[in-house]
Amino acid sequence: DIVMTQSPDSLAVSLGERATINCKSSQTVLYSSHNKNYLAWYQQKPGQPPKLLIYWASIRESGVPDRFSGSGSGTDFTLTISSLQAEDVAVYYCQQYYSTPYSFGQGTKLEIK
Amino acid sequence: QVQLQESGPGLVKPSETLSLTCAVSGYSISSGYYWGWIRQPPGKGLDWIGSIYHSGTTYYNPSLKSRVTISVDTSKNQFSLKLSSVTAADTAVYYCARRGMVRGDIKGFDYWGQGTLVIVSS
Repeated sequence: DIVMTQSPDSLAVSLGERATINCKSSQTVLYSSHNKNYLAWYQQKPGQPPKLLIYWASIRESGVPDRFSGSGSGTDFTLTISSLQAEDVAVYYCQQYYSTPYSFGQGTKLEIK
Repeated sequence: QVQLQESGPGLVKPSETLSLTCAVSGYSISSGYYWGWIRQPPGKGLDWIGSIYHSGTTYYNPSLKSRVTISVDTSKNQFSLKLSSVTAADTAVYYCARRGMVRGDIKGFDYWGQGTLVIVSS
């Protein structure tokens, strides 16, 4: 099974500043024949289901603001929010869908400093 | 617009079977995609339970495989989850979701239901 580990567990950033969340997988999630990393990022606000933000490690889902970006390949990935807005307060999860059982990171709680 | 809605009992007794249904609207399950169940214990992270294709092909999390059954009813455009021999550890918000595709390639879970809290307690 692939284990996903996020860091940090929580993060406080000032409005307008950059927020960076890391995700590491225990084995590669790069599907080499497709040249795609099977890695997604989700945002979850209290009382709501997760919302898909990023897939293939770096592709923004339709409607997601461009201040959200994803990067990385293989086993190390990053979600960056370039200029934090108040509505970005949430828990963020990475998820691998390279192989079953699909697995999620433990989550990173993002707050305003 | 694709919409998913979970339904089922909010309280289940220990050792009994948890049964939930996910009704899909705005898209015909028979047209494709994998559909899945994910759960989230209170205050904790997300756990994938399993997924099903319209043909009935299923994939389960090995940690739950002996207790889980996911089925699909294309005539009602819905799919279901059964989890047997439940304990307090199965208390969670249960979500149904669609595994999205782009140009024939997987992109993650793109549509989710609002979730339903199931408490296991006598």
